[in-house]
Amino acid sequence: QKEVEQDPGPLSVPEGAIVSLNCTYSNSAFQYFMWYRQYSRKGPELLMYTYSSGNKEDGRFTAQVDKSSKYISLFIRDSQPSDSATYLCAMSALRGTGNQFYFGTGTSLTVIP
Amino acid sequence: NAGVTQTPKFRVLKTGQSMTLLCAQDMNHEYMYWYRQDPGMGLRLIHYSVGEGTTAKGEVPDGYNVSRLKKQNFLLGLESAAPSQTSVYFCASKYSTANNGYTFGSGTRLTVV
Repeated sequence: QKEVEQDPGPLSVPEGAIVSLNCTYSNSAFQYFMWYRQYSRKGPELLMYTYSSGNKEDGRFTAQVDKSSKYISLFIRDSQPSDSATYLCAMSALRGTGNQFYFGTGTSLTVIP
Repeated sequence: NAGVTQTPKFRVLKTGQSMTLLCAQDMNHEYMYWYRQDPGMGLRLIHYSVGEGTTAKGEVPDGYNVSRLKKQNFLLGLESAAPSQTSVYFCASKYSTANNGYTFGSGTRLTVV
């Protein structure tokens, strides 16, 4: 079983829609949760970061962590064509070898104008 | 600041050839990582380094070697390239105490024929 599971999609939505992206994980030691955005042929860039459980909002983006269910989500409101990218979730334990992060396989999102 | 710079950006190798991928960061990060990204597999850790002169194996280290002679540079070597090593390679770095994500390079697209 992989440490982190993520539905690869692809997901296609009309402009202005609310998008929900999700990951599940198996390691209860994970404390730090991140979402990366990766445009085609580019490196991943950090979008959101959350520590432990709860919500975090940044503009049109909201990250949610439910540690009891081992489930994290990223919501995108008023989606724009520029949001079209692959979204990767990542997570890390408080203490880990090299503090390495474990990644989901990514969900491909297309926002149609 | 340049951030994390990877060279080369593209390369085609013949089976059995060797090459070195260079990662350079100018952020004084202690930790550096090499990942490969393949369709449906996500980002998989090859090797990492927690400081100058130290290296350690990740999830998929076979066929690769690394060196970290200088803090700012992390080299990934392929001694005898195989078609299974066709992939996109990403370097990442972070501060040792940071749990809020890596900074990634823009990637090296390697094809082994």
